[in-house]
Amino acid sequence: ETGVTQSPTHLIKTRGQQVTLRCSSQSGHNTVSWYQQALGQGPQFIFQYYREEENGRGNFPPRFSGLQFPNYSSELNVNALELDDSALYLCASSFAGASQETQYFGPGTRLLVL
Amino acid sequence: TQLLEQSPQFLSIQEGENLTVYCNSSSVFSSLQWYRQEPGEGPVLLVTVVTGGEVKKLKRLTFQFGDARKDSSLHITAAQPGDTGLYLCAGLLRSGYALNFGKGTSLLVTP
Repeated sequence: ETGVTQSPTHLIKTRGQQVTLRCSSQSGHNTVSWYQQALGQGPQFIFQYYREEENGRGNFPPRFSGLQFPNYSSELNVNALELDDSALYLCASSFAGASQETQYFGPGTRLLVL
Repeated sequence: TQLLEQSPQFLSIQEGENLTVYCNSSSVFSSLQWYRQEPGEGPVLLVTVVTGGEVKKLKRLTFQFGDARKDSSLHITAAQPGDTGLYLCAGLLRSGYALNFGKGTSLLVTP
């Protein structure tokens, strides 16, 4: 069984640039959620994708967008980067319909915006 | 808005001591998950609790879900340096799909 993988592991961008982060879900999972974790904080929900459509969204502006592909992998895109976007971005996969819908996390992508 | 309040925020103890971490909310959760996170890595699932009053044990770790499904606790017996890390609780609301995380408890166990 393959776990959740994310790429790249680290990324440095400048203010105003755009970034794309990638996630491959755990085999057998059909739902992907993205979280932002600022230093010293717990993860904050960005959005979730199920069946290639956004299934729910947290309190993040529209410049945060995403995609889910037929193989259930996903991308997180952030436009017009701001300094406060510097954080660890976490992807989690789960199986919708399971009794517990436990989410399993990838190792994260560390984004630094200068 | 932080739905889950974790306490304590920081904990530094010596090897062999016992400790309890608390996770409290005024909201009812359909399930609650505990994770441990190492610096620069993703959270690793420890346990999921679903039923009010449920108690689960994972070696020296004991997890309890409150009867009303609004709170949870994690108790570690005879802590070891390998237990060092950030412990996060996260709840799934009845009508939700997003995990609502606490801010975490940073645990340091020294030999």
